[in-house]
Amino acid sequence: DGGITQSPKYLFRKEGQNVTLSCEQNLNHDAMYWYRQDPGQGLRLIYYSQIVNDFQKGDIAEGYSVSREKKESFPLTVTSAQKNPTAFYLCASTRDSAWQPQHFGDGTRLSIL
Amino acid sequence: EDKVVQSPLSLVVHEGDTVTLNCSYEVTNFRSLLWYKQEKKAPTFLFMLTSSGIEKKSGRLSSILDKKELFSILNITATQTGDSAVYLCAVVGAQKLVFGQGTRLTINP
Repeated sequence: DGGITQSPKYLFRKEGQNVTLSCEQNLNHDAMYWYRQDPGQGLRLIYYSQIVNDFQKGDIAEGYSVSREKKESFPLTVTSAQKNPTAFYLCASTRDSAWQPQHFGDGTRLSIL
Repeated sequence: EDKVVQSPLSLVVHEGDTVTLNCSYEVTNFRSLLWYKQEKKAPTFLFMLTSSGIEKKSGRLSSILDKKELFSILNITATQTGDSAVYLCAVVGAQKLVFGQGTRLTINP
């Protein structure tokens, strides 16, 4: 079945450590997105990519980095510069750059050790 | 600044009740409004609304958009415990998708 796979489901980060969240899609979608969700809040956009080898910052990009070397893959690195990384991270994709409708993965929950 | 505001933030009702969830927005170059249901993990798409006054319906769920007053409502009739979830509203504007905070709906048996 086509879909978006995020891994791992749970991740723990030590102080000063960079961690990478994986997002893979087999929907043949051009655009991919990373969101952060905090308790009681909606989704906030971290980064997005509408085409391979190109990506743009969202509203809260500081402390994060991404790459888009393949159409299917859009990994997110949470760097040590992100001082409050504990959150639920969601990856999404859309067929084209029209921003909707977004298909979501099941998320990665990141916590600080 | 673009914003989407949902109300109420939390709602607890009994099975069989009808609920109305609200979403108001101020977004530049509005293109469409979307509703999602989020249970534990991935939000799942419910409706996309682009035209004012046209109701979208799927079973017990329905939604309508008012582009003049800048809001949308999501109605759920004859609620069931499986309707318990966070309902997210999102608006597509100029090169951007803006989410509201969500409404946490709890249906008690």
